[in-house]
Amino acid sequence: GQNIDQPTEMTATEGAIVQINCTYQTSGFNGLFWYQQHAGEAPTFLSYNVLDGLEEKGRFSSFLSRSKGYSYLLLKELQMKDSASYLCAVRDAGSNYQLIWGAGTKLIIKP
Amino acid sequence: DAGITQSPRHKVTETGTPVTLRCHQTENHRYMYWYRQDPGHGLRLIHYSYGVKDTDKGEVSDGYSVSRSKTEDFLLTLESATSSQTSVYFCAISESVFRDLDGYTFGSGTRLTVV
Repeated sequence: GQNIDQPTEMTATEGAIVQINCTYQTSGFNGLFWYQQHAGEAPTFLSYNVLDGLEEKGRFSSFLSRSKGYSYLLLKELQMKDSASYLCAVRDAGSNYQLIWGAGTKLIIKP
Repeated sequence: DAGITQSPRHKVTETGTPVTLRCHQTENHRYMYWYRQDPGHGLRLIHYSYGVKDTDKGEVSDGYSVSRSKTEDFLLTLESATSSQTSVYFCAISESVFRDLDGYTFGSGTRLTVV
């Protein structure tokens, strides 16, 4: 079946680095997305991976290993505004290429 | 200048009444989606549309119907609201299923409470 797993909550310190993991099982992997969602707001797109390796975008990087069904989002130089939930989603060919979403990881940044 | 707007933003309704949520886009995107978001669950797809009058069911479509008579509008109807449909509903748009440079764009959400 289809399954996306992420830690429910993580805590990190301002200025530090944090890695948020996502593992997945789908019938037809066709790309992985990371979104950021502040409390009470809409999700916003952060990154997309379809090939193995690391994609870097400023302070944020996303890594994918298709053979391991694993991705992580790396946030560097954490700022208080990074306190949010981070959603992992996989596009599944077995579901008409629709996105299957993890429950999200709530990241708390402490001063 | 939001390219996607949802209305209403908040609604309280009684069990058994029909409810319609509206999603309006100004981006001329082909694909539109309705999701619900509940604590402890990921976003779950209710219905989606890949063109005017072209719609398909998602994983949690029971009790919901949709219509898309114009490119810019996608309506979600709860035919007879139940307490289990209390949720935050998000509309999203995308230019293509395979356009990945920008991902989906989400509306601000509608918080629906069924009492």
